[in-house]
Amino acid sequence: SAVISQKPSRDICQRGTSLTIQCQVDSQVTMMFWYRQQPGQSLTLIATANQGSEATYESGFVIDKFPISRPNLTFSTLTVSNMSPEDSSIYLCSVEDQGRGAEAFFGQGTRLTVV
Amino acid sequence: ILNVEQSPQSLHVQEGDSTNFTCSFPSSNFYALHWYRWETAKSPEALFVMTLNGDEKKKGRISATLNTKEGYSYLYIKGSQPEDSATYLCAFSDSWGKLQFGAGTQVVVTP
Repeated sequence: SAVISQKPSRDICQRGTSLTIQCQVDSQVTMMFWYRQQPGQSLTLIATANQGSEATYESGFVIDKFPISRPNLTFSTLTVSNMSPEDSSIYLCSVEDQGRGAEAFFGQGTRLTVV
Repeated sequence: ILNVEQSPQSLHVQEGDSTNFTCSFPSSNFYALHWYRWETAKSPEALFVMTLNGDEKKKGRISATLNTKEGYSYLYIKGSQPEDSATYLCAFSDSWGKLQFGAGTQVVVTP
């Protein structure tokens, strides 16, 4: 299992600004995942963060908008850049237990409102 | 089916009643089907990970079944309690291991 500490838990931001979300895991993990849930929508994978290499982004998400850092095996950040009201969502980081298809563990989520 | 679909979107249940809801997923390239419970202001918590057609899993009053050939799973809550109030997410994992989530079923149990 894994325990993930995610912060901030919520924030209200002005459009055009940026917010960085942090996730700390209590164990070393190879991959960390960043998800977004827009209101009424499914939890959608933004990118996979690997330590020591560039993050892999899913279709519809780009590095300029969602830069990710992964400085070590227990920590990652996601920045939401140049925010607009459409970025208002819950953002979650996640790790998986022992590889593909295995149970996922999540942070508590960051509820972002852009005004 | 190309996406993961959950129905209903929400439901209200009287305390003590039993309920169930569905998750439909692509039947091709199947690897695993996950169920998570997500309570407000908490982390989503794994309930079940199922991989075999016909799988049935149980955790207390909650159980789930899996049909990979037709691409659906049911989650059952027996004798609902207020603490069962949450959003229940299912997620499909293909052979590449990425999780594709449904939009969730929000369950509200009223005393």
